Amino acid sequence: SYVLTQPPSVSVAPGKTARITCGGNNIGSKSVHWYQQKPGQAPVLVIYYDSDRPSGIPERFSGSNSGNTATLTISRVEAGDEADYYCQVWDSSSDHRGVFGGGTKLTVL
Amino acid sequence: EVQLVESGGGLVQPGRSLRLSCAASGFTFDDYAMHWVRQAPGKGLEWVSGISWNSGSIGYADSVKGRFTISRDNAKNSLYLQMNSLRAEDTALYYCAKDILGGVGATGGGAFDIWGQGTMVTVSS
Repeated sequence: SYVLTQPPSVSVAPGKTARITCGGNNIGSKSVHWYQQKPGQAPVLVIYYDSDRPSGIPERFSGSNSGNTATLTISRVEAGDEADYYCQVWDSSSDHRGVFGGGTKLTVL
Repeated sequence: EVQLVESGGGLVQPGRSLRLSCAASGFTFDDYAMHWVRQAPGKGLEWVSGISWNSGSIGYADSVKGRFTISRDNAKNSLYLQMNSLRAEDTALYYCAKDILGGVGATGGGAFDIWGQGTMVTVSS
């Protein structure tokens, strides 16, 4: 089955840029979606199809995907961005199966 | 308002069954695929199962295949998850999620743009 690898944690100072990676075999050939989850809340879609932003998501959130790594970039990080972030793809080698990465805890220093 | 409301969770003994429901409102339910995603306490998200708009395509995670059955009733704007032979490792908060597309899988599935607040399932003796 397809495996997505994320760093457990990323720390960044307010106003700086955070980059959260999602690794997978030839992930550049897949569409990657990103979710933000704050404590006690349901996940929220922040990036879909590698780099598209749903309405209501700040332009500070962007995404890219190439080779074996997809990246979620958060510019001008704010305290309110502190959350867990998950990447997600569909496993084309398995029958209609969804896959999430293990999640990355973003800490704003 | 677009909304998903899960129900049916609770405490159940190992080996027993439970049926979860998800009531949808505020969007055309039968245009979209729907999914169940779970989160064990203190752990990450795990996709459990998905069903296409017309129930023609269905997928399951290996961890639940053969034990769980997903279904939907478009006339009632409802999604279901029948969970049999429950195990301690099935203990989790179960979310219902709406897909942005109508299909399931690499050729038909998309991202999950609407989520419910979840219903907790605890499997313990």
